[in-house]
Amino acid sequence: DAKTTQPTSMDCAEGRAANLPCNHSTISGNEYVYWYRQIHSQGPQYIIHGLKNNETNEMASLIITEDRKSSTLILPHATLRDTAVYYCIVRPHSGGGADGLTFGKGTHLIIQP
Amino acid sequence: DAGVIQSPRHEVTEMGQEVTLRCKPISGHDYLFWYRQTMMRGLELLIYFNNNVPIDDSGMPEDRFSAKMPNASFSTLKIQPSEPRDSAVYFCASSLWGALGDEQFFGPGTRLTVL
Repeated sequence: DAKTTQPTSMDCAEGRAANLPCNHSTISGNEYVYWYRQIHSQGPQYIIHGLKNNETNEMASLIITEDRKSSTLILPHATLRDTAVYYCIVRPHSGGGADGLTFGKGTHLIIQP
Repeated sequence: DAGVIQSPRHEVTEMGQEVTLRCKPISGHDYLFWYRQTMMRGLELLIYFNNNVPIDDSGMPEDRFSAKMPNASFSTLKIQPSEPRDSAVYFCASSLWGALGDEQFFGPGTRLTVL
């Protein structure tokens, strides 16, 4: 069963904000939302993660709805280098240690010049 | 830090040959992960280690696959004998686990082609 649902692809104009949605309606209380991206021919790259509060770092902002059933990754000023596949991953955090990532199909974001 | 280092970057071999992929994690990280990416199956976790000890190898496809981590700075993924369906990009990642979660750092990958 898929834990997250993302659109297959999205376009965004260069310089505009890119808003990538993710549905995770079955998320549990101890699960975090992580976002990674994979630029063509490179390894995945961590972007951001959060539990229930909105988060912001130098790369992006993560907005999680109050019921935690969905979230949006925001790239505030998209550039051509942001063209990549973006993965939304729901991951438990039990305190016992890390585990592997389960990647879905992600969203292929294409930034148009 | 140079990041996660993987070698070789590309490997072409013939069916039946032994293949060894290598990974050097980021210094100080306590977790090491091996993933495989194919067009058909996407990114899949194969195995991961904590403090050099294998924790979960349920993703290893067959007995032909084995992974070791003899010390904190080196890990290998071996396929013996290799088959054409093993052709994929193999990624190694490392992380330092903390109370607020962890960020996995991925290497550039090894592109394996088995003829």
